[in-house]
Amino acid sequence: GENVEQHPSTLSVQEGDSAVIKCTYSDSASNYFPWYKQELGKRPQLIIDIRSNVGEKKDQRIAVTLNKTAKHFSLHITETQPEDSAVYFCAATPNARGKLTFGQGTILTVHP
Amino acid sequence: DAGVIQSPRHEVTEMGQEVTLRCKPISGHDYLFWYRQTMMRGLELLIYFNNNVPIDDSGMPEDRFSAKMPNASFSTLKIQPSEPRDSAVYFCASSFGTGTSNYNEQFFGPGTRLTVL
Repeated sequence: GENVEQHPSTLSVQEGDSAVIKCTYSDSASNYFPWYKQELGKRPQLIIDIRSNVGEKKDQRIAVTLNKTAKHFSLHITETQPEDSAVYFCAATPNARGKLTFGQGTILTVHP
Repeated sequence: DAGVIQSPRHEVTEMGQEVTLRCKPISGHDYLFWYRQTMMRGLELLIYFNNNVPIDDSGMPEDRFSAKMPNASFSTLKIQPSEPRDSAVYFCASSFGTGTSNYNEQFFGPGTRLTVL
């Protein structure tokens, strides 16, 4: 089955800096890669996703890149703000209508 | 729509007791997922249903865990007997998998925080 590794486990940045979280996956058949944000005590919520036929996708201050050859994908957050502080999870799946395999999560802290 | 609804939000029970967690998916969604979240193991998929039918239960830890979906608007996750290592936050999520789009966001409920003493 799919295995997703996520790094780093914790990330601390100053407000205004950029943050990058990286994930690798094992199943070459995976074709859908969502990112979820979970604030303390809250539920995970989708913030951005990318499909295997796209190399990069942007939505305001967040972007995701995908390298299918290397089987890794990354989340980029620019101009970080304190409200970006949360746990971020990457996921991968060969079947977007079914099972997602999540990474272990990255605790992002943005210091004012 | 109120989103995915879970009950109870918090449950404290003693080892050996039966625990039942409940979930109401978003109306019209045809996929339902049960996850468990712990610090040690992260976010794990336990089981998921499509049109009320269990599709993959390979994540269910052992026979003490069972899940049902008797209709499109209700699912339960039962632990019997419960053990302290079952303490975790249990999330239910639903998605709409039918249609032209192949990629469907999973909407999570608020979770049930289970503590087994």
